[in-house]
Amino acid sequence: GAGVSQSPSNKVTEKGKDVELRCDPISGHTALYWYRQSLGQGLEFLIYFQGNSAPDKSGLPSDRFSAERTGGSVSTLTIQRTQQEDSAVYLCASSLAQGLYEQYFGPGTRLTVT
Amino acid sequence: GQQLNQSPQSMFIQEGEDVSMNCTSSSIFNTWLWYKQDPGEGPVLLIALYKAGELTSNGRLTAQFGITRKDSFLNISASIPSDVGIYFCAGGITSGSARQLTFGSGTQLTVLP
Repeated sequence: GAGVSQSPSNKVTEKGKDVELRCDPISGHTALYWYRQSLGQGLEFLIYFQGNSAPDKSGLPSDRFSAERTGGSVSTLTIQRTQQEDSAVYLCASSLAQGLYEQYFGPGTRLTVT
Repeated sequence: GQQLNQSPQSMFIQEGEDVSMNCTSSSIFNTWLWYKQDPGEGPVLLIALYKAGELTSNGRLTAQFGITRKDSFLNISASIPSDVGIYFCAGGITSGSARQLTFGSGTQLTVLP
């Protein structure tokens, strides 16, 4: 079956512009996660959605970052007034159910802020 | 928050050699996962461990969940060129209703012919 998909695969934007990154989780997966991966670094947790519960936003680095998940499926991560330090790969992952730890990742969106 | 120390940071080995990498933490985790990431791709799950002391194999890969629940190692036997990539450990904890993962900083593996 189809895996997690993300779009765009690459995004170059000017400092100060807003960007939207999209994630389509695996069909039937109820949990969705966003991570940020800076060059040569591990994965930094950003936000978590589970079903209709309020999202866990504890990893968002600033109020310029927000995310939503519509209909319990597709998610959009929005970064407002982008800064150069926002340049990174943004990874989305989904998990089959609330009680499972295994997360399955998309290919990521590489964001470059010039 | 939780911190993981993953080592080594990078490894250069000859094809056919065995490889070992590990992760340690000052905190207890409920589970340990190992992922591999190829360039331009997202991490791919290799092995998941759920019980302290558990030893699990997946082909040439073997991983163990440390008895103290604060560490895990991954071994790769008889390395081949396609083993090249970045390997991440991840420790899992329960935070409220969520199953959160904390990732190590990765081990970059290079396999020389």
